[in-house]
Amino acid sequence: DGGITQSPKYLFRKEGQNVTLSCEQNLNHDAMYWYRQDPGQGLRLIYYSQIVNDFQKGDIAEGYSVSREKKESFPLTVTSAQKNPTAFYLCASSTRLAGDEQYFGPGTRLTVT
Amino acid sequence: GIQVEQSPPDLILQEGANSTLRCNFSDSVNNLQWFHQNPWGQLINLFYIPSGTKQNGRLSATTVATERYSLLYISSSQTTDSGVYFCAAANDYKLSFGAGTTVTVRA
Repeated sequence: DGGITQSPKYLFRKEGQNVTLSCEQNLNHDAMYWYRQDPGQGLRLIYYSQIVNDFQKGDIAEGYSVSREKKESFPLTVTSAQKNPTAFYLCASSTRLAGDEQYFGPGTRLTVT
Repeated sequence: GIQVEQSPPDLILQEGANSTLRCNFSDSVNNLQWFHQNPWGQLINLFYIPSGTKQNGRLSATTVATERYSLLYISSSQTTDSGVYFCAAANDYKLSFGAGTTVTVRA
């Protein structure tokens, strides 16, 4: 079954702790993306990656970090520097960067207290 | 990035009714997608339509790229059509999302 998996579905953390969200795809896509969604709003781009070992900041990268060591995997770390980390995080992928259709994973709901 | 505006923000329909959702965007695009977000948060791809017209069952979409808008048509609506519909557009790498239209279909 081809697709994008994100784990865990729900994540709870204490303020001041770093947390890493997993995103894996078996679609053989080159490009991967991380978005954040706050209640009642659309999605905003955090980071994106065109190829392995390369990634670029999106609109709201402050307080986040990523790595792209494998084509299939694009983990997102929410650091303690992120002021409002509680949100719904969605990972996406596409066959190349600009213009191609993006497909989304099921998301991770992060709650920081 | 591109500015995307969706209207109306909320739509309440009786089962069986037809409806049109609108998406305006601020620049030329190489990607225009419509999504349905289900109650669990999953974004379901409805259409990839940077230009032209497509149909999939009771749903269809039209993008008029020269006039910078796209329309999503829902015909014979069902309660399972309820949820939030997002339009997203890009002219490079960054997909910019509208705020969504919340559709409620009543039985």
